[in-house]
Amino acid sequence: QKEVEQDPGPLSVPEGAIVSLNCTYSNSAFQYFMWYRQYSRKGPELLMYTYSSGNKEDGRFTAQVDKSSKYISLFIRDSQPSDSATYLCAMGSGNTGKLIFGQGTTLQVKP
Amino acid sequence: SAVISQKPSRDICQRGTSLTIQCQVDSQVTMMFWYRQQPGQSLTLIATANQGSEATYESGFVIDKFPISRPNLTFSTLTVSNLSPEDSSIYLCSVVFGGGQETQYFGPGTRLLVL
Repeated sequence: QKEVEQDPGPLSVPEGAIVSLNCTYSNSAFQYFMWYRQYSRKGPELLMYTYSSGNKEDGRFTAQVDKSSKYISLFIRDSQPSDSATYLCAMGSGNTGKLIFGQGTTLQVKP
Repeated sequence: SAVISQKPSRDICQRGTSLTIQCQVDSQVTMMFWYRQQPGQSLTLIATANQGSEATYESGFVIDKFPISRPNLTFSTLTVSNLSPEDSSIYLCSVVFGGGQETQYFGPGTRLLVL
């Protein structure tokens, strides 16, 4: 079993839809959780990070962490074609900086 | 915001040769890492580049195959040695600027194809 599981998709939605991206994990030691966006032929871009259960909002993006269920989500409101990318969840613990990544979900937002 | 650059951006190499990838940051960082992203796969940590000392390698990665240098707080190199087609991947450096480890930023990546 992988430490972090993420549905690779692809996920296709119409413009304006609410998108839900999810990851589950098995290691209860993970302390901080991140979401990255990766456009084709680019490096991952840090979107959001959090280190506690609950919600964190930034514009159209909301990150949600449920440590009791070992489940994290990223919600995108009013999705735009420019949101079309691969979204990677990542997790870490301690002070080593080592991150464990999910496989990434490919999202396509159709105009 | 700081700029993270990698050279080369892409390369095509013959098997048995080596490729050295550079990662340059325009401000000092506390931590630097090297990741590999194989085709259709997610990112896997190769090693932590330690300033002035040997890198810390993850399970499955060894210094002879992936020698790493980090001479200062803004620069690191990763060499992929004795190339085989299985080494065809994207190689990415990432950095932490001094905040928590949760704020880790990536370079644009180096795309390597081994023939």
